[in-house]
Amino acid sequence: GQNIDQPTEMTATEGAIVQINCTYQTSGFNGLFWYQQHAGEAPTFLSYNVLDGLEEKGRFSSFLSRSKGYSYLLLKELQMKDSASYLCAVRAGNYGQNFVFGPGTRLSVLP
Amino acid sequence: NAGVMQNPRHLVRRRGQEARLRCSPMKGHSHVYWYRQLPEEGLKFMVYLQKENIIDESGMPKERFSAEFPKEGPSILRIQQVVRGDSAAYFCASSPPGQSEQYFGPGTRLTVT
Repeated sequence: GQNIDQPTEMTATEGAIVQINCTYQTSGFNGLFWYQQHAGEAPTFLSYNVLDGLEEKGRFSSFLSRSKGYSYLLLKELQMKDSASYLCAVRAGNYGQNFVFGPGTRLSVLP
Repeated sequence: NAGVMQNPRHLVRRRGQEARLRCSPMKGHSHVYWYRQLPEEGLKFMVYLQKENIIDESGMPKERFSAEFPKEGPSILRIQQVVRGDSAAYFCASSPPGQSEQYFGPGTRLTVT
């Protein structure tokens, strides 16, 4: 079966660093994605990992370990506008033909 | 370059009516995905289409739901005889051939009364 787990909610302080974890078990693996979704809006792409290691993009970094079925999204220098849901998604299936999304982690950034 | 477009943005239907949701992918994108998101829940994959072909419909309910992506025009997600449980946000995403990243449309919020 397909299963992706993320913490439901997290809280952090403005200016701090937060790490959002994601574990997955899918049939087939063709990459892992992180999306940000503000309430009532569409998801927007943040990062993509297909090989093990860390991908850094400004204040956001994403890490992948395929052998452990594990990824994390690291957000640095948190800002109030970072309050949103963060969705972990795996491109799965024998031919990488579908995306499986996790339930999302709702991050609240406090002043 | 316009993004992924979906219409209508909000749709209200009575139980038993039909709902038609439209998605126009970004220019040059030939792959379309449909997702459903219930309140306070994650995105659930429904169907993956390329022009004139359904590639994967493993997430589609067996009855009442259908999708198409014709050679010309937008992709259509059709829900027949809607029920209250169909109330959700339906998102469409598109990607060009050979690229993994998906670009999402603003969604259609369906309310069944």
